[in-house]
Amino acid sequence: DAGVIQSPRHEVTEMGQEVTLRCKPISGHDYLFWYRQTMMRGLELLIYFNNNVPIDDSGMPEDRFSAKMPNASFSTLKIQPSEPRDSAVYFCASSPLFVGDGYTFGSGTRLTVV
Amino acid sequence: GIQVEQSPPDLILQEGANSTLRCNFSDSVNNLQWFHQNPWGQLINLFYIPSGTKQNGRLSATTVATERYSLLYISSSQTTDSGVYFCAVGPYNNNDMRFGAGTRLTVKP
Repeated sequence: DAGVIQSPRHEVTEMGQEVTLRCKPISGHDYLFWYRQTMMRGLELLIYFNNNVPIDDSGMPEDRFSAKMPNASFSTLKIQPSEPRDSAVYFCASSPLFVGDGYTFGSGTRLTVV
Repeated sequence: GIQVEQSPPDLILQEGANSTLRCNFSDSVNNLQWFHQNPWGQLINLFYIPSGTKQNGRLSATTVATERYSLLYISSSQTTDSGVYFCAVGPYNNNDMRFGAGTRLTVKP
């Protein structure tokens, strides 16, 4: 398996623009997670899905953030409108039902909002 | 929610030295993992260890669940061990993992 695949690797956008981050989890994994990493707040869990259903979105910072998982092989995290304080590295991770069998992170998307 | 505290926040070693990183957590957990974030930002899963002891080469980890802490041991450190080490824990009946602030390790040649 190619692992968890995120795109794009880097994104630079202007304040007010819509940003869409993409993630392809490992095939067969039941869970998908979106994290945000900043110097100030560390690694924060934003939202996670179980079998494509959102389970906990309490970490989503505000209504400008939304996430979807239309099928088992694809998820998006959207920010609309984007703001400079959204600049961070966004990670996607996936895991099987038993997390000890392989909780795997993607390479991340570095987002810069200017 | 569960609080995760890691210590020390920063650690500088000479190549060949040994080190111990600590993770304390505030509640009972079902899952505990250690990750290494390398200087290029990639997060690598090192150990799944909600209890007991595991070893993988120069790295080993021990979790004492009843006392709510875990230790990561690095022996004969190498420059490639540099990066940030994260402890992540998850509650019962749940796969979401909450991360500590990490320990930044720098190994000097």
